[in-house]
Order: sequence, then C-alpha cells, then structure tokens
Amino acid sequence: DTAVSQTPKYLVTQMGNDKSIKCEQNLGHDTMYWYKQDSKKFLKIMFSYNNKELIINETVPNRFSPKSPDKAHLNLHINSLELGDSAVYFCASSPVLPGQGSYEQYFGPGTRLTVT
Amino acid sequence: AQSVAQPEDQVNVAEGNPLTVKCTYSVSGNPYLFWYVQYPNRGLQFLLKYITGDNLVKGSYGFEAEFNKSQTSFHLKKPSALVSDSALYFCAVRDLMFSGGYNKLIFGAGTRLAVHP
Repeated sequence: DTAVSQTPKYLVTQMGNDKSIKCEQNLGHDTMYWYKQDSKKFLKIMFSYNNKELIINETVPNRFSPKSPDKAHLNLHINSLELGDSAVYFCASSPVLPGQGSYEQYFGPGTRLTVT
Repeated sequence: AQSVAQPEDQVNVAEGNPLTVKCTYSVSGNPYLFWYVQYPNRGLQFLLKYITGDNLVKGSYGFEAEFNKSQTSFHLKKPSALVSDSALYFCAVRDLMFSGGYNKLIFGAGTRLAVHP
C-alpha cells in the first residue's frame, strides 16, 4: 500500500509551459505539504494545507499554486515554468492536530522536474 | 532566527564501526527534533524524533539519537554501521515561531553517509 503517492515521477518540459504535479495520501492525515529539493539537496517547505485550508505559504513565486480538492489530495500547479524551477518536489503528510506539532511527516517518492 | 545545522557534508565510516552524524539546533524554546533518511531517488523516511523525556531516543534500523540541551545538539548514532546505511541524512526542527501548532519543519542541509565495506 502506497502511503503518499505522487504523479508523475519524472516531468521534462520546456520553459514557459504550465504543468501540474499530483499528490495523494491514504493515511487519513489532515495536513499535507509541498517541499522543493534543489540540486544541492537542500529541502525547503513551499506550502501546507490542513483539511483543505492553506496554513503555510512560504515566499514562493505566484506562478506556483497549490490546490487541495479534499484532505487526501494536494496538487501543485506551476505556470510559465522557468529553468530555475528544475528540482525534485516532494509531497508529505502528517496527522497534525492544532496545538500539537509533535507528529512526523510522511513523504512521497518525489517528482523530478526538469525544465529545458 | 530558528535554524538547524549539520556541520559535515559527508561522513565516511567503515562497515561495523560506530557512526555519528552531527546536528545542532537553535530555537527559542523547547525543541521538537527529527531525523530523516533519504535513499537515492527516494523520498525522506522518518527515523526518530525527540519531543520530551529521555534524552536518548531509539528509532528505526538500529539508529538512536542523543538530545543534549546544554550543547543544543541532537546527534544521530548507530553502534555498528552497515553498507546499506549509506544515504543522505537530514536533521529537522519544528519551527516554534510558526503559530497555530502546525508542524512546520526546518531542515538541515543534509549529511551524506558513506559506509565502506
């Protein structure tokens, strides 16, 4: 059973295109996240949703827009792709309850985005 | 500002020897600390966490970590390294400045562990 899944695993596209990455978790968690891992493996949070509500929105360009149709899904849409968007994007989820930040996060396998 | 540092880009260990991967943190309050491992072309996997209680935390795959408040450290350890432990290890701390109680994590830069036969 796949806990956190992402599609596609690899995404190669040209500058200026619009693309989406999908994420689904079957763990029953309320909170989901998007992270970006750059070529130096540095990991930085981009967004987080709790039960379809946006709770974390880091300084990410407006070209990135997360969408959560339900609490089991958090998709990432990227407009007007740029070379610098090339990275591995990870989705994660956790069973966070308000006021209790002690839960670990469970990560998906990642989507390697290459912009040419 | 809250942060976590992993001072070593890479740690090399011979199989069977003990290993230590270092992590220090800076937070304004009691820290929630985590260790994750990333194998090649895979997502991060949770290893262990320190929230409160015993300073020595045991986790998956025989790993443990020691919380040291005076040194603000949370080093990852294993008594006997395996070649299969070779991976990228991330230390993380919960961002206590983030309101709402949600688990926003700040990750270190990662340490690559190479275990040689």
